[in-house]
Amino acid sequence: GAVVSQHPSWVICKSGTSVKIECRSLDFQATTMFWYRQFPKQSLMLMATSNEGSKATYEQGVEKDKFLINHASLTLSTLTVTSAHPEDSSFYICSASLRGGGNQPQHFGDGTRLSIL
Amino acid sequence: GENVEQHPSTLSVQEGDSAVIKCTYSDSASNYFPWYKQELGKGPQLIIDIRSNVGEKKDQRIAVTLNKTAKHFSLHITETQPEDSAVYFCAAPYDTGTASKLTFGTGTRLQVTL
Repeated sequence: GAVVSQHPSWVICKSGTSVKIECRSLDFQATTMFWYRQFPKQSLMLMATSNEGSKATYEQGVEKDKFLINHASLTLSTLTVTSAHPEDSSFYICSASLRGGGNQPQHFGDGTRLSIL
Repeated sequence: GENVEQHPSTLSVQEGDSAVIKCTYSDSASNYFPWYKQELGKGPQLIIDIRSNVGEKKDQRIAVTLNKTAKHFSLHITETQPEDSAVYFCAAPYDTGTASKLTFGTGTRLQVTL
């Protein structure tokens, strides 16, 4: 149980294009989904928190217009990296929880490796 | 917010030995502490978690202990196997009032050698 699917797993694209990453909870309804960024050999850095049907809450220093998040249903959240540039290359990981996040398990997808040429 | 410190950053043990990873946290109101295992190129996998109303929880070869007074919790892996080699992260929650989030430790790279 508690399976989170993330797609695509790997993206390579040219600078200036926009990339959409999907995060789905397959066997449970996720009230809250989280988006993280992870640099090589580093910990997870929370980018934003999204609740179904409401606007995402972004962490300090994360550009809202650059990283668009949509949580349209209880099983799907998307992250769109707009006008991506090489510095946006990273490993992006989503997680989902039943309610809240801190006191309920967060279940992670397998991440999306984004490479911008 | 929450500050989580994790030690050691790297740990090498021989197969069959035990491994212990320790974390400290700063927010005394925190009451949920998960541990994640991350293999190369994959997302973190929840392996065990503990709530503040218990001091220890065990699941086969994995155990977590919690000392609320000292604000630290530890992961114990016994009879280590090569497949235990991975990066392990501890985490603790902080509640912003609108959503509870997790702060992660810096990770421990565990290497189990034959």
